This record gives sequence, structure tokens and C-alpha cells, in this order.
Amino acid sequence: DSGVTQTPKHLITATGQRVTLRCSPRSGDLSVYWYQQSLDQGLQFLIQYYNGEERAKGNILERFSAQQFPDLHSELNLSSLELGDSALYFCASSLRAVGEKLFFGSGTQLSVL
Amino acid sequence: AQSVTQLGSHVSVSEGALVLLRCNYSSSVPPYLFWYVQYPNQGLQLLLKYTTGATLVKGINGFEAEFKKSETSFHLTKPSAHMSDAAEYFCAVSGGTGFQKLVFGTGTRLLVSP
Repeated sequence: DSGVTQTPKHLITATGQRVTLRCSPRSGDLSVYWYQQSLDQGLQFLIQYYNGEERAKGNILERFSAQQFPDLHSELNLSSLELGDSALYFCASSLRAVGEKLFFGSGTQLSVL
Repeated sequence: AQSVTQLGSHVSVSEGALVLLRCNYSSSVPPYLFWYVQYPNQGLQLLLKYTTGATLVKGINGFEAEFKKSETSFHLTKPSAHMSDAAEYFCAVSGGTGFQKLVFGTGTRLLVSP
């Protein structure tokens, strides 16, 4: 158990809908990262937050947004969903900056039908 | 910018055989290098990491990797494969300290046959 909690584990929805994925980092970790894993794109970095502030952005679509709350949990919002958004979305956390060990949650499997 | 290339999307070995998973990196700054493992239906788990210092890094489950700057490589090895090693392995690089994103390779699936 990595200590990172992601909910829900599975999510099935329809095209055009909006969903929210939730992540609780390990106790004491200030940094949260979101990754998308799909068969065709592999593991892609989406976005990083550190202590409530956005710190780094990767290949995140404009239809996607994220935030980190004062209690350090994070949410990833995906809107106007398309079939191609179907993927496994991972959250990871670390104490400080990248370069340290990341702890990954077990992911949310999103299926867009 | 940083990137990693993992040679071979699938590697098959017999139980007891040497495991060698290849990773080459590209980085404009001294890199931090990582190997992660993903078991089915689970998140990624850190095997080992190189930051500075000793170039031969030992990780969990008997794995080790050697940082070779001249070859820009960070290959993962294990002397004797076990059935439980069957998983997907990801090499990753970051640009050192600071808020640099971790960039992953495309992964290598290790298959272990009895």
C-alpha cells in the first residue's frame, strides 16, 4: 500500500459528460501529480501541484483541469469527454519536488462509452 | 528537455535467467533516473533511483541498475529471474531538483517462463 488513495477505482460514463477523479496523497506529502496511462500514449504526465499551487504542466488538454485543496487532496476534472479519454488515470505524491520518490495510487480506470 | 527510450516493448526470459531491460536517456542537465515497476491492476512502485554518487544502484527485489554517462544509459538487471518478476517496467528521468516533471519511457513488459 503506497498510502495514496484514489477514488473511484472504476468510472464508466458517456461521451460529452464530465467526471471528477479524487486523490488523497500520502500523509505529509505536499506534491501531487496526475498521469494518464493509455495503450497508445503510454504514461503521460498531466499536471503537478505543490502545496496548493500549480507547479508544472504536461500534456493536459484544455478540457481537463485540476486543483489541490488546502487539505492537500487533489481533484482532476475531465469535461466534454471523448472516447479517446478512456484511460487509467494515476495520482502520485511526493514530499517535495520531483527527483524524489513518487508514490503512486492504484489508479482510476475511466471508460467513456 | 528530458526523455527516455526503452528498447524492446517485451522481453522474455526463463526463470533463473539474467534479466536485462534497457533504458537510454536524454537530458540537458544532470539527470535523476528511476526504474518503476507496475504489476497488473496496480500503480507504479519505485524499484530504484539514481541521483548522484555511486553509479551502481541497488534496488528492491534484487534489481540493480548502472548509470553510464558516456553511454547515456541506465539499464536494469537482475541476475536470476523469478516468476514474480513478471510485470511492466518503466524507466523515467527528471531534470534533477526543482519542480521538474518526471518523464517516463514507454515501458517494457517482462515475461518469465518456467
